[in-house]
Amino acid sequence: NAGVTQTPKFQVLKTGQSMTLQCAQDMNHEYMSWYRQDPGMGLRLIHYSVGAGITDQGEVPNGYNVSRSTTEDFPLRLLSAAPSQTSVYFCASSYSGAVHEQYFGPGTRLTVT
Amino acid sequence: RKEVEQDPGPFNVPEGATVAFNCTYSNSASQSFFWYRQDCRKEPKLLMSVYSSGNEDGRFTAQLNRASQYISLLIRDSKLSDSATYLCVVNIGTGANNLFFGTGTRLTVIP
Repeated sequence: NAGVTQTPKFQVLKTGQSMTLQCAQDMNHEYMSWYRQDPGMGLRLIHYSVGAGITDQGEVPNGYNVSRSTTEDFPLRLLSAAPSQTSVYFCASSYSGAVHEQYFGPGTRLTVT
Repeated sequence: RKEVEQDPGPFNVPEGATVAFNCTYSNSASQSFFWYRQDCRKEPKLLMSVYSSGNEDGRFTAQLNRASQYISLLIRDSKLSDSATYLCVVNIGTGANNLFFGTGTRLTVIP
């Protein structure tokens, strides 16, 4: 099993550009989440999904969209990149929510100039 | 107030030392507790869950104190390979949106 995969590993955007961060998992997990990690702050939840077709907002959803058309894929879209979105983004999946182990992807390092 | 607070460190300890980290949480309804390990520029990985009765996994011991709302991680006989950031994680419900991460405590084990 590949576990949780994310692409790209690194990305540089200019302010105002849009892009999609890809995330896929092959463990048949229902729960998937997107987090951002910034220096001096814990991982913060952006959006999450409890199953195909169901998504909801986390703590810091502004400027991001998600969709979940299949169990495997959970892409994160940046609508109009801003320097404040410079961060490391982690996708995670779990068997059933917060009670169980979260499996994280390797992360995407995004810089917005 | 943050849901989860940790001493960011860094903790610099010699090989073979014993080191302990504490983490406090603010929500008394918190249900599950975890320690994750994050190596430099890598993703977090589960180190161990923390049970009410305390639990041990080799050189690692985790304890929960509900009355004082803190959890601890003790590492005995530190190895160079233990150098990492340790994240305290607390959940206050079953949904994915109820998981809160501390900022992490950085440990460096020195030869």
